[in-house]
Amino acid sequence: GAVVSQHPSRVICKSGTSVKIECRSLDFQATTMFWYRQFPKQSLMLMATSNEGSKATYEQGVEKDKFLINHASLTLSTLTVTSAHPEDSSFYICSATGQGADEQYFGPGTRLTVT
Amino acid sequence: AQSVTQPDIHITVSEGASLELRCNYSYGATPYLFWYVQSPGQGLQLLLKYFSGDTLVQGIKGFEAEFKRSQSSFNLRKPSVHWSDAAEYFCAVGASDSSYKLIFGSGTRLLVRP
Repeated sequence: GAVVSQHPSRVICKSGTSVKIECRSLDFQATTMFWYRQFPKQSLMLMATSNEGSKATYEQGVEKDKFLINHASLTLSTLTVTSAHPEDSSFYICSATGQGADEQYFGPGTRLTVT
Repeated sequence: AQSVTQPDIHITVSEGASLELRCNYSYGATPYLFWYVQSPGQGLQLLLKYFSGDTLVQGIKGFEAEFKRSQSSFNLRKPSVHWSDAAEYFCAVGASDSSYKLIFGSGTRLLVRP
């Protein structure tokens, strides 16, 4: 149980375009979802926390207008990178937790490359 | 502020040898502590977690970790490493504000010599 999927696993987009990444909890209701960014050979940096039906809470230094997060249902959260630039190229990982859970369940990640 | 330190950027061990990965945390109360493993290009898999109780925690894949409050440490150990254990290992502490947030260490890359 407690499976989290991400789609797509890899995406390449051109500079200036927007790209959407989906995070789904497959077998539980995710009351809270988290989005992380990971640069090569570095740790995970939390970007934002989203609770179902509420606006996301962004970490300091993360541009909310650039990284749009929507958590419209208990099984789906989306991260949209708007007007992407090459410096947005990174590995984006989501995680989810449900009511009563004591850990986060991580998705497999999405590799974004902006050309 | 809470923080997690993994002092070893990378460690190389021979297959069959024992392993210890270090993790130190800074936290005011009893922390929630986690160890995750990440294979290249993959998400994170939980190895084990500590919330309370027995300070020696058993995890998956033969891993264990010991919580030592006096040393603010939560080191990960395995008695005999397998080549498939080569990966990146992250220690994390749960945030104190009940937000379920995790604060990650910088990670330790484990290389296994045949």
